[in-house]
Order: sequence, then C-alpha cells, then structure tokens
Amino acid sequence: NAGVMQNPRHLVRRRGQEARLRCSPMKGHSHVYWYRQLPEEGLKFMVYLQKENIIDESGMPKERFSAEFPKEGPSILRIQQVVRGDSAAYFCASSPLRPGQGSPGELFFGEGSRLTVL
Amino acid sequence: SQQGEEDPQALSIQEGENATMNCSYKTSINNLQWYRQNSGRGLVHLILIRSNEREKHSGRLRVTLDTSKKSSSLLITASRAADTASYFCTYFYGQNFVFGPGTRLSVLP
Repeated sequence: NAGVMQNPRHLVRRRGQEARLRCSPMKGHSHVYWYRQLPEEGLKFMVYLQKENIIDESGMPKERFSAEFPKEGPSILRIQQVVRGDSAAYFCASSPLRPGQGSPGELFFGEGSRLTVL
Repeated sequence: SQQGEEDPQALSIQEGENATMNCSYKTSINNLQWYRQNSGRGLVHLILIRSNEREKHSGRLRVTLDTSKKSSSLLITASRAADTASYFCTYFYGQNFVFGPGTRLSVLP
C-alpha cells in the first residue's frame, strides 16, 4: 500500500507564474489536509478537504490560493501569481476518517513539495 | 490562536542520555499525538495518547498527558544519533489538526 504521494518534490517558479502541487492520498483515504512550513518552523494549516468538498479553508489566503480534491485523481493546491513569500514546503496529509468517526485521526504525511519563487 | 506550544524549542544532548520535550495546548481534546520530522522529510506518526490515558509507552518513547494542566510530555530514553529530528505535538481542534512550532532535538555522538 503506497503512502501519500506528493509531486513535484521540488518546484521553481518565477514571480507571477502559477504553481500546482499534487497530492495522492493513501488508498482508501478520503480526507486530505494541506499544511505549509517555513524553514525551522512548525506546520501551518491551510485547508482540509474531503472528496469533492472543501471542509475548512480558514488557513488558506483568499486570494491566489485554491484547492480541490476531485472524485477521481489527486488533490491539487494551486497558487496563482506566486510571490517570493510563497516559498515554503507544502505538506499534504491524509486520513481514512474524520476524527470522531471511529478513527483516532492519525495523519499520514507525504514528503512535501518545496516551492522556490525566484 | 489554538496553536499548541512545544518546549524547549531546541535541545542538544549526548547519545545515551534521555530527552524530554513538553507540549502545552489550549482546549479540551480527545487525544494528542506526537510526530517526528527528519530534516527535509515529511512527518511520521510516533504515538497517540487518549484523553482518558495518563501515560503510554512505545519502545523507547514514553508519553504522559495531564489534562488538568493541558500539557503532555514526550520522553525518549537512551537517545541515539538517529533520533536527531524535530518533534511536534498535535491535536484536532475545530476542523483541523493544530501543530506547535516543534522541538528540534540534536543527539550528539
């Protein structure tokens, strides 16, 4: 059973370009979380999605950022018109159930996508 | 902010010594989890402790939970150089998991 797959692992973009980060959750997992991490810092929550639904996007900037988790295919975090401040590691995590639905809520993380904006 | 807080922020010890990291949180929880992150890698789940548990062991790891003080501690016994990593506590709040800033542990050979 493959783990959470994120790609690309490294992405370089120039200011104003678009960045698309993909996350394929573990098989059977329908809950996906996206986090952002700056060097030497903790994880900042961005968005929580269930298949075809955004459950909580309170941590995601309203402009330039969007996320989706379609019925088929990976979850995608999209950053339009990137700026230097978007440079960070973006981590995706998945779980089979929402905490409280019979699952303690252990998260399974991907290896991250490191975005560098020149 | 409901962000948890780990302390110390950084800890440096010699191989063979024990390492203790603390986590404080701000709300009622069903469980609290500890994760480890090696440099440049994703987070790996270490251990989960439920709110009705006071202590839990897993190999060289010992986790305690004091819900009255809203705090948890992670003890790594007989540390090894391979334990060098950042350690994070997390809990589910609202609609997502809240992570603290982490403790960066360095185990010197």
